[in-house]
Amino acid sequence: AQSVTQLGSHVSVSEGALVLLRCNYSSSVPPYLFWYVQYPNQGLQLLLKYTSAATLVKGINGFEAEFKKSETSFHLTKPSAHMSDAAEYFCAALKTSYDKVIFGPGTSLSVIP
Amino acid sequence: EAGVAQSPRYKIIEKRQSVAFWCNPISGHATLYWYQQILGQGPKLLIQFQNNGVVDDSQLPKDRFSAERLKGVDSTLKIQPAKLEDSAVYLCASRIAGGETQYFGPGTRLLVL
Repeated sequence: AQSVTQLGSHVSVSEGALVLLRCNYSSSVPPYLFWYVQYPNQGLQLLLKYTSAATLVKGINGFEAEFKKSETSFHLTKPSAHMSDAAEYFCAALKTSYDKVIFGPGTSLSVIP
Repeated sequence: EAGVAQSPRYKIIEKRQSVAFWCNPISGHATLYWYQQILGQGPKLLIQFQNNGVVDDSQLPKDRFSAERLKGVDSTLKIQPAKLEDSAVYLCASRIAGGETQYFGPGTRLLVL
């Protein structure tokens, strides 16, 4: 069964520091991979997605993620954290467009001034 | 393009009462999902519709939860009777047929007292 793990339920970074949120998936077939962000009292917003084109994917708000098949990873990064980045981040995987999306448990990002 | 609409945004009820949530997906999106998101967790799929047919309802507690999408457009999710553990955010998402990206509504936050 496919699963998505996110290392670290809470991550704190200083404003201006590098953001690194980890995501690993288990799948025999490279899936579609997504990062969603959820701000308080809001739904999930798509940050970026991997669909087997470029392995380095750029998203909104300066975020990017790199698909590494050998490591079954899809870590999310941003060079310089901003206070507005404080939110919950979810990694998700989809094997084919006909399957259901599997979400990771989420990582709460705090940005310290 | 209008996003996924949900109502109400917030609902407070007492246990054993009934409640219903409404979702209007993005126009033309054949696939509709209802998720339950308990505080601090990732979304859990309750039910997936393809047009007006159910694709997956394996995690829907069918003794108390029901959902319909009669005309293949908007959908309602009902809980009858509610339990304390149903307190959560209920998210609706939609996806175009053959596409890989789900788009989420703002969610309905339910509190059962």
